[in-house]
Amino acid sequence: EPEVTQTPSHQVTQMGQEVILRCVPISNHLYFYWYRQILGQKVEFLVSFYNNEISEKSEIFDDQFSVERPDGSNFTLKIRSTKLEDSAMYFCASSGRDRSYEQYFGPGTRLTVT
Amino acid sequence: RKEVEQDPGPFNVPEGATVAFNCTYSNSASQSFFWYRQDCRKEPKLLMSVYSSGNEDGRFTAQLNRASQYISLLIRDSKLSDSATYLCVVNIPLGGSYIPTFGRGTSLIVHP
Repeated sequence: EPEVTQTPSHQVTQMGQEVILRCVPISNHLYFYWYRQILGQKVEFLVSFYNNEISEKSEIFDDQFSVERPDGSNFTLKIRSTKLEDSAMYFCASSGRDRSYEQYFGPGTRLTVT
Repeated sequence: RKEVEQDPGPFNVPEGATVAFNCTYSNSASQSFFWYRQDCRKEPKLLMSVYSSGNEDGRFTAQLNRASQYISLLIRDSKLSDSATYLCVVNIPLGGSYIPTFGRGTSLIVHP
């Protein structure tokens, strides 16, 4: 069964450093998403991406964040200058069609900012 | 009022029991509704979409009530493996777009 993959599974970084989280969505999917989940809290939408551009973003997704699809398979989330409060699990998801359709999540990257 | 609300539980039920969860949403223009399950420190896994007509998948039945602005999930004949957190997701309109919005989840513990 096709699945979304994410690397790394755990990333530790120092405050102020840049991090790039990587995702490989399901191959025939067209819509891609990033979410975060701070420990013990709910899953929060960050951004959706379609046709090589951002289609929706939340207020969390400020100038510190950017997304890119650098090639035909990878989808990345970059955090430019990490803060302690960026520590969370980051999930990538993809959907075969638009947001009205089911999304399939990757296993997540646990980001720890020290 | 929160956009998407769920009773956090935990719901503690014996194997074989029937259990139901509700999830309310505040914006009547919301579209597209889903139930996911999440095991501890794992990713959300899609359980089912929710339609006004109701839909069933094995032991699971989901229903949407637009008039009262809630969705429900019914689990029949609970199994130990059903123990998880159940998340509802509602696409809420915001500035011309729709934002997938998760509830905090309802914890289910099925015991022998």
